[in-house]
Amino acid sequence: EAAVTQSPRNKVAVTGGKVTLSCNQTNNHNNMYWYRQDTGHGLRLIHYSYGAGSTEKGDIPDGYKASRPSQENFSLILELATPSQTSVYFCASGDLGTSQNTLYFGAGTRLSVL
Amino acid sequence: QQKVQQSPESLIVPEGGMASLNCTSSDRNVDYFWWYRQHSGKSPKMLMSIFSNGEKEEGRFTVHLNKASLHTSLHIRDSQPSDSALYLCAASMRTGGYKVVFGSGTRLLVSP
Repeated sequence: EAAVTQSPRNKVAVTGGKVTLSCNQTNNHNNMYWYRQDTGHGLRLIHYSYGAGSTEKGDIPDGYKASRPSQENFSLILELATPSQTSVYFCASGDLGTSQNTLYFGAGTRLSVL
Repeated sequence: QQKVQQSPESLIVPEGGMASLNCTSSDRNVDYFWWYRQHSGKSPKMLMSIFSNGEKEEGRFTVHLNKASLHTSLHIRDSQPSDSALYLCAASMRTGGYKVVFGSGTRLLVSP
């Protein structure tokens, strides 16, 4: 199965601090996504990318930036973290529009902003 | 904003029973649906996908799609306690670089 690696797995940040969440995939997938999941709820799309150098806003992009410097790496940046951004963040990758039309998820990053 | 609505929010079925979950999109540009399963504390894993009208069966799982109404349903027969999980429906749009949106999920509990 395709491997998606997220780091860190757990992060405690202070309000107003900068946080960078990293995602790496070695499957040569074109599409990458960042979601957040609050306790007991579904996934909400923050940013996504369809290739190196591209980033697109999802449904809840405010307070987040994304960066796709290479095919393998997709980062989520919180410039000024707030307690409302406390959540579990999932990265996913896939090759949509092909026979491999599936998203593969990382293990998640649990972020607490105090 | 593309929306994906799931129902019911939660469902309890007896072991060996049938579970039926529903999902509808409000965006006419949707071209693909998936069903994912997420056990507590884990990441989502794809169960089934569908993009053509009709039905698809894999083992105890059957998925239906009606493209005209943008409605998909997942049916689990002979439900097992290990099927207890959060079931997430996802939909993608080919335009805009394959935006993929998830519903809020159906929490299934299979009681022994």
